Amino acid sequence: SQQGEEDPQALSIQEGENATMNCSYKTSINNLQWYRQNSGRGLVHLILIRSNEREKHSGRLRVTLDTSKKSSSLLITASRAADTASYFCATDVLQGAQKLVFGQGTRLTINP
Amino acid sequence: DVKVTQSSRYLVKRTGEKVFLECVQDMDHENMFWYRQDPGLGLRLIYFSYDVKMKEKGDIPEGYSVSREKKERFSLILESASTNQTSMYLCASSPDGRWGELFFGEGSRLTVL
Repeated sequence: SQQGEEDPQALSIQEGENATMNCSYKTSINNLQWYRQNSGRGLVHLILIRSNEREKHSGRLRVTLDTSKKSSSLLITASRAADTASYFCATDVLQGAQKLVFGQGTRLTINP
Repeated sequence: DVKVTQSSRYLVKRTGEKVFLECVQDMDHENMFWYRQDPGLGLRLIYFSYDVKMKEKGDIPEGYSVSREKKERFSLILESASTNQTSMYLCASSPDGRWGELFFGEGSRLTVL
């Protein structure tokens, strides 16, 4: 199974509502990142949260990190149609082959 | 803004052909990466380069090679394309090592017939 796993796999909400996506991981990390990918395009970095941080904000985005539960959440407030995309968490793997590992993503659809 | 440019958005090749995917970044980043993305499998690292002429294998290097002759350019080579290499290929660069923020190109969708 993957180091980072997002939940849910797909989420559909109405415009204006808040969207929450979760990411769980298995091993210790230094930081966790969230990325967005519009259909058929490359990924865009949203936010990085370090292991000694519990919460971070960027515009309408709020990310939390709970290292005791090995989980993170991404909250998008007041969603817009343009937020329709896939969202990925990425964690650094510190043991073995050191690399950034991506989860399989949450597909978010914002309905007008 | 950082720009990572992949030479081709869409390619169609035949089995056995040699395929070159080119990636150029304009921000003097030391680190460059090639990923492939497949439904249900997510992003998987093919190769990573941390300096000119330096490379490390990722999770799935078989069937691929890379070239980094200049800092700004990282090429992915499929020596003999096969149908199971049909995929979306994503190039990325980073100033902060293998775990830092990644800047991605728009992707190259390769179909091997």
